[in-house]
Amino acid sequence: AQSVTQLGSHVSVSEGALVLLRCNYSSSVPPYLFWYVQYPNQGLQLLLKYTSAATLVKGINGFEAEFKKSETSFHLTKPSAHMSDAAEYFCAVSDNTNAGKSTFGDGTTLTVKP
Amino acid sequence: EPEVTQTPSHQVTQMGQEVILRCVPISNHLYFYWYRQILGQKVEFLVSFYNNEISEKSEIFDDQFSVERPDGSNFTLKIRSTKLEDSAMYFCASKGNRQPTYEQYFGPGTRLTVT
Repeated sequence: AQSVTQLGSHVSVSEGALVLLRCNYSSSVPPYLFWYVQYPNQGLQLLLKYTSAATLVKGINGFEAEFKKSETSFHLTKPSAHMSDAAEYFCAVSDNTNAGKSTFGDGTTLTVKP
Repeated sequence: EPEVTQTPSHQVTQMGQEVILRCVPISNHLYFYWYRQILGQKVEFLVSFYNNEISEKSEIFDDQFSVERPDGSNFTLKIRSTKLEDSAMYFCASKGNRQPTYEQYFGPGTRLTVT
C-alpha cells in the first residue's frame, strides 16, 4: 500500500523567496515519486520525477526535489519564487511494478505575493 | 513529442444518462489508467488496464463504471447512469514498460458536468 502526505494545504511566499513544499510518502516497495503542477482548470504537468537514480532531482521551471529515504520525504524546492509559480502542486507515489498506479497527495496551493 | 489525448474536453450530461469518455494513449504504451479529480480535491485512481483486462480498480470504480479498449488506439471510460457526484475532471494516463522510468503520461482531462 502506498500513501502520500503533503504538509500544508496552503503555502504563501513572497516573490523572490524560497519555495518549500513538503511531501512524505509511505510505500512497501521502493517508490517512484513525482511532483505535478496544476493551473486552474488545466491538466497535470509533470515537474520532476525520482526513479531510483540520483536522489537530487532537477525539474522544469527551476524546481528541484531531494529524495530522502531515511525521512521518507521528497520535498519540492525552488530558490526564488515567481508570480507564475502560483498554482496547485501534487506529490504522487507509484510502485515500481509495471502496472503500478499513482497515489496522489491532497495537494498544496502555492500563493506568491508581489 | 507523443502525448495522450482526450475527448471531449468538456461534457455536460443529465443525471441518469450514459456517458463515454475517450482517450487515445501513446501508441506504444501498454498500461492504461483512469483517474478522477473532483473540483478542489486531489486526484484519485479509478482503474488500471493491461492486456485487455482490468488489473486494478478502486472502490470508486463500481458497477456503474466500465472501461474498454475497443480498437488498437482508443481507451474508453463509460459511466452507465451518471449521478451528480460523478461531476469531476477525468484524466486518462498511459505508461510504457521501458526503463529507466515507469512514468505515467497524463492527458489533458475531460471535465464532466452532471446536471
